[in-house]
Amino acid sequence: GESVGLHLPTLSVQEGDNSIINCAYSNSASDYFIWYKQESGKGPQFIIDIRSNMDKRQGQRVTVLLNKTVKHLSLQIAATQPGDSAVYFCAENPGGGNKLTFGTGTQLKVEL
Amino acid sequence: DTAVSQTPKYLVTQMGNDKSIKCEQNLGHDTMYWYKQDSKKFLKIMFSYNNKELIINETVPNRFSPKSPDKAHLNLHINSLELGDSAVYFCASSHGGIAGWGGETQYFGPGTRLLVL
Repeated sequence: GESVGLHLPTLSVQEGDNSIINCAYSNSASDYFIWYKQESGKGPQFIIDIRSNMDKRQGQRVTVLLNKTVKHLSLQIAATQPGDSAVYFCAENPGGGNKLTFGTGTQLKVEL
Repeated sequence: DTAVSQTPKYLVTQMGNDKSIKCEQNLGHDTMYWYKQDSKKFLKIMFSYNNKELIINETVPNRFSPKSPDKAHLNLHINSLELGDSAVYFCASSHGGIAGWGGETQYFGPGTRLLVL
């Protein structure tokens, strides 16, 4: 269940539908972006990443889209499954070095 | 086959105590990190070490002291624990590129849930 005071944005989708999770990033100098999935009680798990010289990258059932003009990143999950239920985080590397700045997270709930 | 491991998984302690959290990675990575995740799930970097050298030190109270005995281990020692230190602490590691490459995948451990009473 949720903790008191937890106000993550929540996306509810039906099993089998496609999910789109959005993220606005803050630093126009960021050149690397990454999506993580965090299941309850576990650490963040890498899903997919993209560099600023690309605007789209596809993985298995997942696609990341990058729009540098409006500083927007999205994660698309095809044919969402119950196992996709988790909190999803986007993160940006604000130029140089290996520091990642994380977004606030989106809770994805898959309804049967 | 655990890539990034942390001990303990749970830590319950009294205010004012000193405690340590340990992290080990068997990925052969050069860079390791400590993150803090608060009750709102917000993840923030605390420290980063590259080959035992401190390279990122965010605004963290000096009660927190990381120590890297070798590049496969990064421990976090916390002195005089306070209620606000209650959180989940994650260790992570990455390959460790040359500064300026602009980001690389970080692999996270399972977390240490710290509760200060």
